[in-house]
Amino acid sequence: TQLLEQSPQFLSIQEGENLTVYCNSSSVFSSLQWYRQEPGEGPVLLVTVVTGGEVKKLKRLTFQFGDARKDSSLHITAAQPGDTGLYLCAGAATDSWGKLQFGAGTQVVVTP
Amino acid sequence: DTEVTQTPKHLVMGMTNKKSLKCEQHMGHRAMYWYKQKAKKPPELMFVYSYEKLSINESVPSRFSPECPNSSLLNLHLHALQPEDSALYLCASSQGAGLEQYFGPGTRLTVT
Repeated sequence: TQLLEQSPQFLSIQEGENLTVYCNSSSVFSSLQWYRQEPGEGPVLLVTVVTGGEVKKLKRLTFQFGDARKDSSLHITAAQPGDTGLYLCAGAATDSWGKLQFGAGTQVVVTP
Repeated sequence: DTEVTQTPKHLVMGMTNKKSLKCEQHMGHRAMYWYKQKAKKPPELMFVYSYEKLSINESVPSRFSPECPNSSLLNLHLHALQPEDSALYLCASSQGAGLEQYFGPGTRLTVT
C-alpha cells in the first residue's frame, strides 16, 4: 500500500497571505490529483498532474509534481476566504486498478 | 459537463430498514466508484465498477450491496445497517479505471 503523507494537517491564515500544502510518498505515482472539499459536499477536482517536474497554474493556485513523481505541492497566493476547505491529494499507482490513495487532508481556514 | 449526481442528499434510516442510494453520470465514463467518508477523514474506497462489472470490493460487509444497471447508473443497496455506518457516501466516476475521478455531492446517511 502506497502511503501519501500530507502536511500540514491544519492551516489558519489571514486573507492575502500565501500558503503551501505538501503531499509526500516513498512510492511512485502515475498521476496525482488535488481536490478541495467543503463540509457536507463531495470533493471537487482541482487539477491532475502526470509528468515528473510538471507545474500547473490555475489563477492563484500553483501545483507541482516532483521530478520522481513521489511528491507534490499546492501553493496558494494571496489566499481568500473562498479558499477555505479541506484539500486532499490523491495518487494513482500504475497497477492500482482504479484505486486512489488519499492523503489525510489539510484543513485550510482563511479569515477576512 | 463533469457532473455526477447523487440522490437522496440526506437519508435517515433505522437498523431494520432497506434503502438505496443512487448515482448517475452522463459523461460516458466507464468506471464508477462508491466511497465512504467519516468526518475529518479522507474518503475510503468501497467498490469499483469497470464497464459495468464489479472489479474491486474492499472487503465491505454484505449489508452494503452495489449494483450497476447500466453504464450511467450506480446504486448502493443498504440493509440492516449499524449506527457506525453513518457517514457521507460518495459516488465518483472516471473515463477509465485509474484515471482522474469526479465526485458527486454525496449522501449524508444517518443510521438510528
